[in-house]
Amino acid sequence: QSALTQPASVSGSPGQSITISCTGTNNDIGDYNYVSWYQQHPGKAPKLMIYDVSDRPSGVSNRFSGSKSGNTASLTISGLQAEDEADYYCSSYISSATVVFGGGSKLAVL
Amino acid sequence: EVQLVQSGAEVKKPGESLKISCKGSGYSFASYWIGWVRQMPGKGLEWMGVIYPADSETRYSPSFQGQVTISADKSISAAYLQWSSLKASDTAMYYCARGSRISSFDYWGQGTLVTVSS
Repeated sequence: QSALTQPASVSGSPGQSITISCTGTNNDIGDYNYVSWYQQHPGKAPKLMIYDVSDRPSGVSNRFSGSKSGNTASLTISGLQAEDEADYYCSSYISSATVVFGGGSKLAVL
Repeated sequence: EVQLVQSGAEVKKPGESLKISCKGSGYSFASYWIGWVRQMPGKGLEWMGVIYPADSETRYSPSFQGQVTISADKSISAAYLQWSSLKASDTAMYYCARGSRISSFDYWGQGTLVTVSS
């Protein structure tokens, strides 16, 4: 199975909104509403930010939102803050009853 | 408070065996999937596989099937990841994580760094 495709890097200024895309196929994102997004700061364990395409775990800021269209999922961060600078990974359930991650996107807050 | 506590860093030689652990507390360990995720130095996350401790149902990514073994002992709320013959390319940080479904992990361990070098 191939990793989902994410942009290597994205950037934005404080207060702006950014969107990170995650492109898969009909065998993963396109066929299941089981997309998750994780935030990882350097040297730390990943943190779940979005699950089931657009649901937020308790305690995650509502500045983070998720969506899906066809084979592409997206994570939008509004009101960008310095603390949002991190790596972001998407993941999706796939037809083999396992899960695959995206390659990761490094977010720079300029 | 839900916690996943992993065993400490390991330094091994190629060809050696290894078993690392992940101990859960603060929740019903048997009722949640435990997954393992690899992160090679400077690289992204890779989903390795999961186990459901209640019945030991296990699923592996094709990339890791046959390369590692995932197991669990629900009586002591622990899950394991083991290798029978390590390679230098197994050098990585390994995370365990919990999920009510395999598709999302809501709590993560602190990671176990495995270094394989001659």
